[in-house]
Amino acid sequence: GAVVSQHPSWVICKSGTSVKIECRSLDFQATTMFWYRQFPKQSLMLMATSNEGSKATYEQGVEKDKFLINHASLTLSTLTVTSAHPEDSSFYICSARAHIPARPTGELFFGEGSRLTVL
Amino acid sequence: GEDVEQSLFLSVREGDSSVINCTYTDSSSTYLYWYKQEPGAGLQLLTYIFSNMDMKQDQRLTVLLNKKDKHLSLRIADTQTGDSAIYFCAESPSGGYNKLIFGAGTRLAVHP
Repeated sequence: GAVVSQHPSWVICKSGTSVKIECRSLDFQATTMFWYRQFPKQSLMLMATSNEGSKATYEQGVEKDKFLINHASLTLSTLTVTSAHPEDSSFYICSARAHIPARPTGELFFGEGSRLTVL
Repeated sequence: GEDVEQSLFLSVREGDSSVINCTYTDSSSTYLYWYKQEPGAGLQLLTYIFSNMDMKQDQRLTVLLNKKDKHLSLRIADTQTGDSAIYFCAESPSGGYNKLIFGAGTRLAVHP
C-alpha cells in the first residue's frame, strides 16, 4: 500500500524556536497533502491543505503565519511551527491522497505522526 | 454544519463482538470511513463504505450504514487484544473529496 512518512517522529524544543516537520509520500506522488493536529484524547483537527506548487489552504482559526506550509515537490510537504510556545505542543499528523484503482477518491494515507513538545 | 460524533469508550471481553457507533451530519457524504489508531501512531484505514450501500463486510469487520438516521457502525467479530486501539469514524463532506471530518474517536479496550 501507499506509504507516508513523517520526520521527526518526536521533537522537544524551547519556547520561541521554530520547528520543521516533514511529510513524504514514499511510493507515490501527492499533489495534495493535509496537516492535522491532535490533542490528547481528542480527534484530529484539519489545519490546512497543502497544494504542490501553490499556497496552502488553511482552515478557519488556524494562523497561517504561525504554521507555515510548503509543498515544494510532489512527494514532500513541510510544516513549520514558528516561534513555538507550550500551547503548540501537540501530535501533528500529515496525510496524502494516493490514486489507487478500485479505491475511493477520498482515501487518505497517514503518516506516523510527529509529537511536538515545547518547553 | 459538519460534525461527527462517537462514544468515547468501549470495553469488551476477548472473543466477544465489539460494536462502535457513529453519527454524522452531512447527508451528502459520499464515503464514510473507519480508521484505527494505535498508541503513538498515525491512522490506518480499516474499511470504508460508499453512501449507497447499507452494509459492507470485510473479514471480521462489518460496517452498517443507516443513511436515513445518518448512523454508521463498525462491528468487530471475535475481538482480540490486538484490536485495542482508538477507532475513528470519518465522513467526506460533499464536494470535498480531499477533506475528512473525524469523530473524537472511540477507545476500545479488550480484556481477558
